[in-house]
Amino acid sequence: DADVTQTPRNRITKTGKRIMLECSQTKGHDRMYWYRQDPGLGLRLIYYSFDVKDINKGEISDGYSVSRQAQAKFSLSLESAIPNQTALYFCATSLGFGTGELFFGEGSRLTVL
Amino acid sequence: QKEVEQDPGPLSVPEGAIVSLNCTYSNSAFQYFMWYRQYSRKGPELLMYTYSSGNKEDGRFTAQVDKSSKYISLFIRDSQPSDSATYLCAPSTGNQFYFGTGTSLTVIP
Repeated sequence: DADVTQTPRNRITKTGKRIMLECSQTKGHDRMYWYRQDPGLGLRLIYYSFDVKDINKGEISDGYSVSRQAQAKFSLSLESAIPNQTALYFCATSLGFGTGELFFGEGSRLTVL
Repeated sequence: QKEVEQDPGPLSVPEGAIVSLNCTYSNSAFQYFMWYRQYSRKGPELLMYTYSSGNKEDGRFTAQVDKSSKYISLFIRDSQPSDSATYLCAPSTGNQFYFGTGTSLTVIP
């Protein structure tokens, strides 16, 4: 089983719908992140959390919200999806010291029509 | 100015070629210089990293950092079709990461 699991892997939805992407990890890491990846723009940080009580906005948080339900679970919500939120979304974890290497899930591809 | 600039390619080379992938950065606070490899439909995985300036070699891969010119390089020797992927440079302060846009590499058998 993957150490960082994202669900769903693929989702097609309509403009205005509420969408939740879920992430769970078995690595025991405190730090969790949500990124989106777009062609030509690379990986951009949406939100990150250094522990259960800590939530921080990233570079592109507008239109998104997150919830850290437990050390192992971090979900991303789009309250009212719009077409330019069509992207590949990645959850990642890290230990938080040393290099801070990021461990990524396999991604959730979201299409907003 | 972007924190990290990376040529997106795409880059296509014959099997056995030497590949050079490069990034420039602007933040002098970066201490760790990482390269992630991302296969199609997968998440990025850390390939290798360098701390501060200098070279680091791992098999066919060599990572090089020149902090004086703020230049990061990844060299792949004897490239293989299995090296076909997108390579992302990611300088870091240890707490904050900044990813390049990625260079798409195809190694043709």
